[in-house]
Amino acid sequence: SQTIHQWPATLVQPVGSPLSLECTVEGTSNPNLYWYRQAAGRGLQLLFYSVGIGQISSEVPQNLSASRPQDRQFILSSKKLLLSDSGFYLCASTGRVRNTGELFFGEGSRLTVL
Amino acid sequence: AQTVTQSQPEMSVQEAETVTLSCTYDTSESDYYLFWYKQPPSRQMILVIRQEAYKQQNATENRFSVNFQKAAKSFSLKISDSQLGDAAMYFCAYRSQNRDDKIIFGKGTRLHILP
Repeated sequence: SQTIHQWPATLVQPVGSPLSLECTVEGTSNPNLYWYRQAAGRGLQLLFYSVGIGQISSEVPQNLSASRPQDRQFILSSKKLLLSDSGFYLCASTGRVRNTGELFFGEGSRLTVL
Repeated sequence: AQTVTQSQPEMSVQEAETVTLSCTYDTSESDYYLFWYKQPPSRQMILVIRQEAYKQQNATENRFSVNFQKAAKSFSLKISDSQLGDAAMYFCAYRSQNRDDKIIFGKGTRLHILP
């Protein structure tokens, strides 16, 4: 089975500072990769998804960006964090058997912007 | 655009009883997947059950079953013999079978199990 690694698990950053959250996937190749943000009472908001290296689709205009430098690596970044960027960020991947449809999730990264 | 609606922000059920969580969705597609995910306090998202839209038979996984009504675009989750470990946030999700990209989640239902 595949494993999704996310780090850091917890991050406290001041407003205006940069951000880099990293996600790597083991146990599959050529997955679709996703970044979701979970804020209280708002469920899971899809931020970015990628169907291949260098291919990024953005769902919500904001000061965040994503990159996929390698097949199983997905990075969420910001040049200047806002208070509203606080939340729980989840990385997800499709599975080895693509037609089962479901996503596999990492353990999440909690970001607090002060 | 597809949407997923969970109209129950919170629910409570007595241990050993049965509870049903509601989910409706909107799509113009005919081929898709529907999922229920569980997020316990550890925040790790766990797949509970999956349903392919072309299958008329409702999916079941041990104590978990769904009532899939394609015409009504309804996908409810039934948990039988509720256990304390079932306490979690439950998310309903939709994914197109033809478009290999995003999965849309509802806002979730927080389930409390009363001892």
